[in-house]
Amino acid sequence: DAGVIQSPRHEVTEMGQEVTLRCKPISGHDYLFWYRQTMMRGLELLIYFNNNVPIDDSGMPEDRFSAKMPNASFSTLKIQPSEPRDSAVYFCASVQGNIYNEQFFGPGTRLTVL
Amino acid sequence: AQKITQTQPGMFVQEKEAVTLDCTYDTSDQSYGLFWYKQPSSGEMIFLIYQGSYDEQNATEGRYSLNFQKARKSANLVISASQLGDSAMYFCAMRDYNQGGKLIFGQGTELSVKP
Repeated sequence: DAGVIQSPRHEVTEMGQEVTLRCKPISGHDYLFWYRQTMMRGLELLIYFNNNVPIDDSGMPEDRFSAKMPNASFSTLKIQPSEPRDSAVYFCASVQGNIYNEQFFGPGTRLTVL
Repeated sequence: AQKITQTQPGMFVQEKEAVTLDCTYDTSDQSYGLFWYKQPSSGEMIFLIYQGSYDEQNATEGRYSLNFQKARKSANLVISASQLGDSAMYFCAMRDYNQGGKLIFGQGTELSVKP
C-alpha cells in the first residue's frame, strides 16, 4: 500500500496567489482529515470528510480556505488568496471505518507564503 | 471542551534508559480514544499506540506502553530502553466519539536521547 499521498511536498508562493494542496487517501479509507501544523498553534484539524461528504469544517480559519473531495481517492485544500500567516505544514490523514482506528498521515506539504 | 495537555516541552533521556512522557486530557464524555504519535525531524506523523476509554488494561506496543489512569485523566507514554532513533516530537491526541472522531492534539514533547 502506498500510504496517504500528498502533493506538492513543498510550495513557495507569494502573498495573494492561489494555492492548491492535494491528497490521495489510502484506498478503502472512508474518512479524510486535513490538519495544519504551526509552531504557535500546534496541530489543528481544519476539516474532515466521511464518504466524500464534509462533516465538520469548524476548524477552517476563514473563507479564504476551501476543501473538496470530488471522489473517494482525491481531495484538495485551496487557499485563495494566500497570506504569509498561512505558512505551515498541512497534513492529510485517512482512516477506515471505525473512527477509533488509527489515522494514517501523509508526509505533509510545507507551505511558505512570502 | 475537550483538551489535551502535555506539560513537558522538552525531555532528555540517556540511551537505554526508560522515559515517561506526560499527557493529561479533559473531557466530559465516557467514550473516547487516546493516541500517541511520533514526529521525527523529517516531519511525518507515525502512529505509536492507542488506548480506548473502556480498555481495562494498559496498551503496549513493543517498547511503548501507555500508562492509562482514567480517574486522573492521564495517558502517559512510557518508552523503555530508549534508542537514539527515538529522538523526536511526541504528540498525545484524543478522539471523542461524540465529536465525530476528530483528533485533538497536545502541544507535543520534544524528546532527545543522549548517547
